[in-house]
Amino acid sequence: DAGVTQSPTHLIKTRGQQVTLRCSPKSGHDTVSWYQQALGQGPQFIFQYYEEEERQRGNFPDRFSGHQFPNYSSELNVNALLLGDSALYLCASSLGHLGGNQPQHFGDGTRLSIL
Amino acid sequence: DQQVKQNSPSLSVQEGRISILNCDYTNSMFDYFLWYKKYPAEGPTFLISISSIKDKNEDGRFTVFLNKSAKHLSLHIVPSQPGDSAVYFCAARPKTSYDKVIFGPGTSLSVIP
Repeated sequence: DAGVTQSPTHLIKTRGQQVTLRCSPKSGHDTVSWYQQALGQGPQFIFQYYEEEERQRGNFPDRFSGHQFPNYSSELNVNALLLGDSALYLCASSLGHLGGNQPQHFGDGTRLSIL
Repeated sequence: DQQVKQNSPSLSVQEGRISILNCDYTNSMFDYFLWYKKYPAEGPTFLISISSIKDKNEDGRFTVFLNKSAKHLSLHIVPSQPGDSAVYFCAARPKTSYDKVIFGPGTSLSVIP
């Protein structure tokens, strides 16, 4: 039973560049959420995708965008990278029709470093 | 403004003793609470949860207590084991937005053999 997989594991970019991070949900899951975890902090909700649409969004600028594909996998895109975007980016999956009272399953994250 | 607070960044406990991790929240709209455990270089893994209609939930060595009037919850681990050494995140979900989970900053637990 494949869990949540994220790629790449690590990434180094420079300011102003653009980046795309990828996530495959746990087998059977159809909903993907993205989180940013800065050093020493808890994960912060970026947005959630369900049925290929953004269903909910946190307090992140429009530079952060996403996409969900028909196979439920998802991409997180960040444009015009800033030094402050350096963080661990986590993807979590769940079953959308079950609603809120279910735990999400997390991947191991992508470590993004901005130089 | 941090809606979920974990005021102890770290905690050290002797093996076999009880570990108590605390969490406070400010948003009265939260109605579902979760604890996640995170090892280095791994993603968070779900540990235990509690609905706001309950005041206690138990799963093996792990028990979560919820005090709604005080907007406080705690995670008890008994007995503590060295493998429990990890960062523990308290998280909450508001009833108006089930898709959005708010995490606390985490508490790093060290269980000393």
